[in-house]
Amino acid sequence: GAVVSQHPSWVICKSGTSVKIECRSLDFQATTMFWYRQFPKQSLMLMATSNEGSKATYEQGVEKDKFLINHASLTLSTLTVTSAHPEDSSFYICSARDAADSSYGYTFGSGTRLTVV
Amino acid sequence: GDSVTQMEGPVTLSEEAFLTINCTYTATGYPSLFWYVQYPGEGLQLLLKATKADDKGSNKGFEATYRKETTSFHLEKGSVQVSDSAVYFCALSDPMDTGRRALTFGSGTRLQVQP
Repeated sequence: GAVVSQHPSWVICKSGTSVKIECRSLDFQATTMFWYRQFPKQSLMLMATSNEGSKATYEQGVEKDKFLINHASLTLSTLTVTSAHPEDSSFYICSARDAADSSYGYTFGSGTRLTVV
Repeated sequence: GDSVTQMEGPVTLSEEAFLTINCTYTATGYPSLFWYVQYPGEGLQLLLKATKADDKGSNKGFEATYRKETTSFHLEKGSVQVSDSAVYFCALSDPMDTGRRALTFGSGTRLQVQP
C-alpha cells in the first residue's frame, strides 16, 4: 500500500534556529501533500497544502514566512520552521494521497515532534 | 462547507466491553468516509473506509456503516482490548477530488481501555 515517510521523528532545537522536516511518498507520486499541526490532545489543524512545482496554499492564520514549504518533486515535500520559538513546539504531520488510487484514502507520515528550547 | 462531528471523549471502557463512537457529517453529494486511528506519539493510520451508501467498512474487529439517511458513520467494536486505546478520527473526502483537497476531520475521540 501507499507509504509516506516523515523525517525526523523528533527534533530538539534552540530558539532562533531553523528546522527542516521532510515528507516523502515512497511508492507513489503525490502532486499534493498536506501539512498539519497537532497540539496535545487536540485534533489536526491543517496548515498548508503543498503543490508540486508551485507555491503552497496556506490556511488562514498560518505565517508563510515562518513555515516555508517546498515541493520540488512528485515524491518530496519539506516544511521548514524558520527562527523557531518555544511556541512552535508541536507535533507536525504530513499526508498525501495517491491520485491514481481510486479508494480515495490518504496516507499519513508518522509525525515529527518538535521541541524548541 | 463540509464538516464532521464526533462524540467528545474520553471514552473509558473495561476490556471486552462494546464500543460505539458516534460520527455524523455534513457534505454535498456523496463523500467517502474514513476512520483513522492515532496511537500515542504516532501519525494517523487508516482503520477503515466506505465509499458509498450502505457500505460497511471493517478492519481488526472494528466496523462502520455508511448511513446516508442519517448522515452517520458510527464506529463499533464488539469487544475492545487494552491495545485499542488510542485516538480515533472520523473524516470525509470528496470522491471527485483528485487529491488536491485535504480530508475534513472530526475533533477526535480518545478511547481508554482498562484491564
